[in-house]
Amino acid sequence: AQKITQTQPGMFVQEKEAVTLDCTYDTSDPSYGLFWYKQPSSGEMIFLIYQGSYDQQNATEGRYSLNFQKARKSANLVISASQLGDSAMYFCAMSKGAQKLVFGQGTRLTINP
Amino acid sequence: NAGVTQTPKFRVLKTGQSMTLLCAQDMNHEYMYWYRQDPGMGLRLIHYSVGEGTTAKGEVPDGYNVSRLKKQNFLLGLESAAPSQTSVYFCASRTLIRRTSYNSPLHFGNGTRLTVT
Repeated sequence: AQKITQTQPGMFVQEKEAVTLDCTYDTSDPSYGLFWYKQPSSGEMIFLIYQGSYDQQNATEGRYSLNFQKARKSANLVISASQLGDSAMYFCAMSKGAQKLVFGQGTRLTINP
Repeated sequence: NAGVTQTPKFRVLKTGQSMTLLCAQDMNHEYMYWYRQDPGMGLRLIHYSVGEGTTAKGEVPDGYNVSRLKKQNFLLGLESAAPSQTSVYFCASRTLIRRTSYNSPLHFGNGTRLTVT
């Protein structure tokens, strides 16, 4: 069965620092996708970044990058130069096939000025 | 382009009452999903649909039913609400990309906050 684990319930970071949010996953399937979503206090779910299991390079989207270590089954999100607006819940998710995404428990990130 | 629209946004039910949550998407997506979000538990899949007229159970299907009579709509029903169903419910949709079907992200609605007293 697929499983996603986010071991950091909460993180506190100073503004402008880089932050790494941890995500480990468990699957025996060679084909899968990994996603990160942001949920601000307003409640909506915002898609941030995607990494495919066969992608050779780590995904990047602006200030977001995904540190993909396939052998370790980890897919950590890195946010460079954090901003106050980055304060939110962050969810890691995994998709096997097109049928469903399984989510981790989330990490609450707080950026301090 | 509205994306994924959920109605209602808020609802309070008494134990035993029934209700239907409506999800509509205008992106012609094949797949649709209902998740519930509870504190400390992330998002858990209730039911999903891979196409018009088809539905399947997710992780936590008990107490819920779904229907997808039209491609753009996915309904979630609670026949007899219980306090344990107090939660925030999210609908999401996703397109099917051939050959690499696992790489399309979910598009979420804004959620429905349901309280069962």
